Amino acid sequence: NAGVMQNPRHLVRRRGQEARLRCSPMKGHSHVYWYRQLPEEGLKFMVYLQKENIIDESGMPKERFSAEFPKEGPSILRIQQVVRGDSAAYFCASSSQGMNTEAFFGQGTRLTVV
Amino acid sequence: KNEVEQSPQNLTAQEGEFITINCSYSVGISALHWLQQHPGGGIVSLFMLSSGKKKHGRLIATINIQEKHSSLHITASHPRDSAVYICAVRVRGGADGLTFGKGTHLIIQP
Repeated sequence: NAGVMQNPRHLVRRRGQEARLRCSPMKGHSHVYWYRQLPEEGLKFMVYLQKENIIDESGMPKERFSAEFPKEGPSILRIQQVVRGDSAAYFCASSSQGMNTEAFFGQGTRLTVV
Repeated sequence: KNEVEQSPQNLTAQEGEFITINCSYSVGISALHWLQQHPGGGIVSLFMLSSGKKKHGRLIATINIQEKHSSLHITASHPRDSAVYICAVRVRGGADGLTFGKGTHLIIQP
């Protein structure tokens, strides 16, 4: 499980700033998923990426949020002009062949917008 | 109504007790996952099931596809099992990510 690396673990941003969350999947995994856990709520799917492609972004807010998974380097979840409602834990998961196989989660990034 | 319902929402038990957490879903699925989350911590994948039963140590997970129901059992429970247990499904024909239950908060008292 430690193989999925997320950083930073904690991130504080002022309203209006940008937040960049990084996720390095387990070695050999090319499927990356981002999930958001709002305070006192369950986890929600945001986006599914494979290398250089967004496969499913049906859970992503339409504005200010974007994600990428470049050929080299980690997957990035980018939140522009953050607002207090963006405060949440953001988890990344990776798998070898999609969610019909075992998924491995990272430790999460806890974003606080002040 | 949520597509994935877990019960109970909260469970407190004594060390050594046999624990059962239930998960019911209302949609067709291709896989069901059981996850564990400690307070302020990350998420650990316990099981991925598409049929039958799996066992790992003191944990057992079962699924009944016809009844759209899964259970997670913990034998000889221990205080370190205290955590939130989350059921999640891959909806057949749905979004590629998982759909989650709200979790069961388990406390095992010494």
